[in-house]
Amino acid sequence: SQTIHQWPATLVQPVGSPLSLECTVEGTSNPNLYWYRQAAGRGLQLLFYSVGIGQISSEVPQNLSASRPQDRQFILSSKKLLLSDSGFYLCAWSWTGGNQPQHFGDGTRLSIL
Amino acid sequence: DQQVKQNSPSLSVQEGRISILNCDYTNSMFDYFLWYKKYPAEGPTFLISISSIKDKNEDGRFTVFLNKSAKHLSLHIVPSQPGDSAVYFCAGNSGGSNYKLTFGKGTLLTVNP
Repeated sequence: SQTIHQWPATLVQPVGSPLSLECTVEGTSNPNLYWYRQAAGRGLQLLFYSVGIGQISSEVPQNLSASRPQDRQFILSSKKLLLSDSGFYLCAWSWTGGNQPQHFGDGTRLSIL
Repeated sequence: DQQVKQNSPSLSVQEGRISILNCDYTNSMFDYFLWYKKYPAEGPTFLISISSIKDKNEDGRFTVFLNKSAKHLSLHIVPSQPGDSAVYFCAGNSGGSNYKLTFGKGTLLTVNP
């Protein structure tokens, strides 16, 4: 079976500090990978997705970037965090092909002080 | 523009009764719809999906109904159990691609014993 791991579960960072959130998937190969954010009182918003190693598509221009150095590893980064980057960050994977559900990790609660 | 709307932020039902969660969408290009359940401090868990070529899909206690002309879908849970208490999100996907899910803001379901 497939599993997805995200860490850390919670993170408190000062404004202006860098960020690196990691996500790994097990039990599958060549999955599609996604980063979402849920801000307070809002729905899930797609930030980035990847259909293969080194292939990153950005949905929302912002202070964040993503990378996929390995097939089942997806990293969300920032060089300098802003207060507005606070939120709940979720990684997800799906099989390739149309009409496939996305399966989420347990998320990282990021608080910027 | 909120393309997926869950107009009821919360719903309370008695154990054993039916729970009906509603979702409206505006994007006529959506051809695949999903429901997710989310417990606090966890990522969303995929529940059930439906393709736009169908009007009903059933999986155990969960049934999703799609009314394309009204751009409306609903999730029925019968019978409701206290463990069903969670936030439920609906999501839509367009173009047969599986990378962009547009989520509603969620409905908090409370099932009372």
